[in-house]
Amino acid sequence: GNSVTQMEGPVTLSEEAFLTINCTYTATGYPSLFWYVQYPGEGLQLLLKATKADDKGSNKGFEATYRKETTSFHLEKGSVQVSDSAVYFCALLNSGNTPLVFGKGTRLSVIA
Amino acid sequence: DTEVTQTPKHLVMGMTNKKSLKCEQHMGHRAMYWYKQKAKKPPELMFVYSYEKLSINESVPSRFSPECPNSSLLNLHLHALQPEDSALYLCASSQVGSLAGSTDTQYFGPGTRLTVL
Repeated sequence: GNSVTQMEGPVTLSEEAFLTINCTYTATGYPSLFWYVQYPGEGLQLLLKATKADDKGSNKGFEATYRKETTSFHLEKGSVQVSDSAVYFCALLNSGNTPLVFGKGTRLSVIA
Repeated sequence: DTEVTQTPKHLVMGMTNKKSLKCEQHMGHRAMYWYKQKAKKPPELMFVYSYEKLSINESVPSRFSPECPNSSLLNLHLHALQPEDSALYLCASSQVGSLAGSTDTQYFGPGTRLTVL
């Protein structure tokens, strides 16, 4: 079946530090991959996505590359800000009769 | 515009009350979803509507009753809930549901935080 594994955290970084949140997946075929972000007390916002191998999704300084050979979609940002503090969910969507599959989420805290 | 709106933002209800959650999108999406999210957990799928027809019910108790009056609106009717039903309820929409063989992006609303006393 389809599954997503991401580092659970919490991750605590100082402002301007480099961020990596690991995400690996298991799926048949060619799924689309997503990162969603959830700020405290809010719903999920789409952060970025990639729909095929070697695609790079990017938004607000965040990037992730769809690596089929390593079945990974790691999230990176070169310099985090306090405002990036949130929970980040990696997710997978495969075609056919399958729902959106989420990782367990990684809580990021950025301190000034 | 990728906005999904949900009302109310917060809801407190007793176990004997009847209430409804509302969700609206004007992106022309034909698939709409209800999710339940408990604290520190990822969202769990409850229902999927595709072209205004219920296509997935993930074994949700009958005290939750979804309704899709038209392609822009999705309701979740609540009756005789239990305290363990307290959670954040998220609505989402996508152009076409995954049942149609699509991997269209799902866009989420801000959620309704439900507390059952």
